[in-house]
Amino acid sequence: GQQLNQSPQSMFIQEGEDVSMNCTSSSIFNTGLWYKQEPGEGPVLLIALYKAGELTSNGRLTAQFGITRKDSFLNISASIPSDVGIYFCAGKLEGGADGLTFGKGTHLIIQP
Amino acid sequence: GAGVSQSPRYKVAKRGQDVALRCDPISGHVSLFWYQQALGQGPEFLTYFQNEAQLDKSGLPSDRFFAERPEGSVSTLKIQRTQQEDSAVYLCASSLHTEAFFGQGTRLTVV
Repeated sequence: GQQLNQSPQSMFIQEGEDVSMNCTSSSIFNTGLWYKQEPGEGPVLLIALYKAGELTSNGRLTAQFGITRKDSFLNISASIPSDVGIYFCAGKLEGGADGLTFGKGTHLIIQP
Repeated sequence: GAGVSQSPRYKVAKRGQDVALRCDPISGHVSLFWYQQALGQGPEFLTYFQNEAQLDKSGLPSDRFFAERPEGSVSTLKIQRTQQEDSAVYLCASSLHTEAFFGQGTRLTVV
């Protein structure tokens, strides 16, 4: 089926470092979304991208949707301990099912 | 509360047992989605409702899975004759326009 490929699978960083993670697909998506999930909780939407090439910031988070709408990235600047969690890219596949397709996630771990 | 509420939070079922998982969406949200999240994976779409109409059930893995939303509000996901591979977290999400809000999920363990 359609897949969103996320990299890296996990990241071990020091507090204060910047973080960059990617999401790629062979299919075109109508929306580019980034979610964060913490243990025992549902995913929470961080940033939504709707237009090809769109660049959006939300506090320390910045995300961009690729020109072809097949890829996106998420950057987190000056990481803090509460950034720990699993980050998922997701999107609505063009011409696909009504629900979202999710990647497998990038697990962010912050070392003190 | 103001968020999406799911119950139970945890369910242990014996193989072959039927289970029913409940979702209370945010009041007024027209759209409701069910997802299945296996351990270490991202959520996978199961089915979508617009009000009481089930518009997309393409993600339901087998005919043992059934979802309903009879009055366009609360939804129930039913799994008949549960199998071990059904063990997962079942997430419900609701939306009014484009942003979907997720509940905490129901963790189903089939033993």
